[in-house]
Amino acid sequence: KAGVTQTPRYLIKTRGQQVTLSCSPISGHRSVSWYQQTPGQGLQFLFEYFSETQRNKGNFPGRFSGRQFSNSRSEMNVSTLELGDSALYLCASSGAGTSGTYEQYFGPGTRLTVT
Amino acid sequence: GNSVTQMEGPVTLSEEAFLTINCTYTATGYPSLFWYVQYPGEGLQLLLKATKADDKGSNKGFEATYRKETTSFHLEKGSVQVSDSAVYFCALSPSGAGGTSYGKLTFGQGTILTVHP
Repeated sequence: KAGVTQTPRYLIKTRGQQVTLSCSPISGHRSVSWYQQTPGQGLQFLFEYFSETQRNKGNFPGRFSGRQFSNSRSEMNVSTLELGDSALYLCASSGAGTSGTYEQYFGPGTRLTVT
Repeated sequence: GNSVTQMEGPVTLSEEAFLTINCTYTATGYPSLFWYVQYPGEGLQLLLKATKADDKGSNKGFEATYRKETTSFHLEKGSVQVSDSAVYFCALSPSGAGGTSYGKLTFGQGTILTVHP
């Protein structure tokens, strides 16, 4: 079974621009979560989508948004980029439904550099 | 809120040494606990998990036991290899939270492990 894929793997943007990152979950997985990883803050949860609905959200400004499509693929968007948005953005998928505990499987990440 | 605390790193060991990475957590209810590993330039890989008290997760020679009484989930390996050099993350996922916390893993700060030949 193919793993979680993320595109692009590397991205360089300028302050003030916007960016869209894409994530394709493992086939059959309906939950997609996004995380930001930085040396200073570690791994921080951005949001989770399940069946095209945002089910959970972390403490990030409104410049960070996401969506999920009917095939479970997900995108996240960051508008008006700031230098501090430079990070590794990780996507994770899970087969969880509406109850129970489960594990998340991560993609390789998208390395975003804002200059 | 939920939180995970890992022992400070980096940890440097010689090959075949015994490894322990401490992890303690704060959470309500009965969370599930995980260890993930991240190799340079890669995403996170699930190493092992435990979903209830006294469960022992194990994989590739690594083990961790869910200790509810001490709110701990320490990672151990009896004999490390150079190939184990990576960053290790302890994480928790709330359970039975009515759906409001699903999909959100809370991570520790990570422990860098370097194993020398």
